[in-house]
Amino acid sequence: GESVGLHLPTLSVQEGDNSIINCAYSNSASDYFIWYKQESGKGPQFIIDIRSNMDKRQGQRVTVLLNKTVKHLSLQIAATQPGDSAVYFCAENTDFTGTASKLTFGTGTRLQVTL
Amino acid sequence: EPEVTQTPSHQVTQMGQEVILRCVPISNHLYFYWYRQILGQKVEFLVSFYNNEISEKSEIFDDQFSVERPDGSNFTLKIRSTKLEDSAMYFCASRPRQGASEETQYFGPGTRLLVL
Repeated sequence: GESVGLHLPTLSVQEGDNSIINCAYSNSASDYFIWYKQESGKGPQFIIDIRSNMDKRQGQRVTVLLNKTVKHLSLQIAATQPGDSAVYFCAENTDFTGTASKLTFGTGTRLQVTL
Repeated sequence: EPEVTQTPSHQVTQMGQEVILRCVPISNHLYFYWYRQILGQKVEFLVSFYNNEISEKSEIFDDQFSVERPDGSNFTLKIRSTKLEDSAMYFCASRPRQGASEETQYFGPGTRLLVL
């Protein structure tokens, strides 16, 4: 049967506030990072990415920060909306130029937006 | 906007039976992947596929698993003799091509496999 699921860390924010979701990655050789959003029963949905030669990248309402010194990644969501409620995963890629380019996913953080 | 599609959305099977999970990657993509997610856990890499051959596979992807691209549009994952622990959500993903701005993998909606 299925294993008991891990207890996901949960971030609860009020609608309109900013959210910051953090991720510690494992491999110092990782050169590409992605944030995915996963709603219940759906596949991971691309939000934003960043390469290791950058420390910040902005999208629409989202910003990703990369600190390679401490192997830390964060996702900032401005003016959080109810539709942002989901589980957020960071993923790292350790084969940037290769043909495999597999992603290693973090555990995930559940974002709950309260009204 | 082009999407990765997967069929079926749900599959229930008996232990020991063979299952084939199907995916249609985005049409101009060249790299294909299978991942799985056991309920409540993180997404795990299974296999990557490029130029009609496996590029890399994880420890999970043992001899019971195989992948195939039988035509120009479909990408399949076969589990020959399912076990209870194969119960999971299986995601297909595709990526355009190797290059500076083409690393992003786009995921399908998944197939939920339940082995009884």
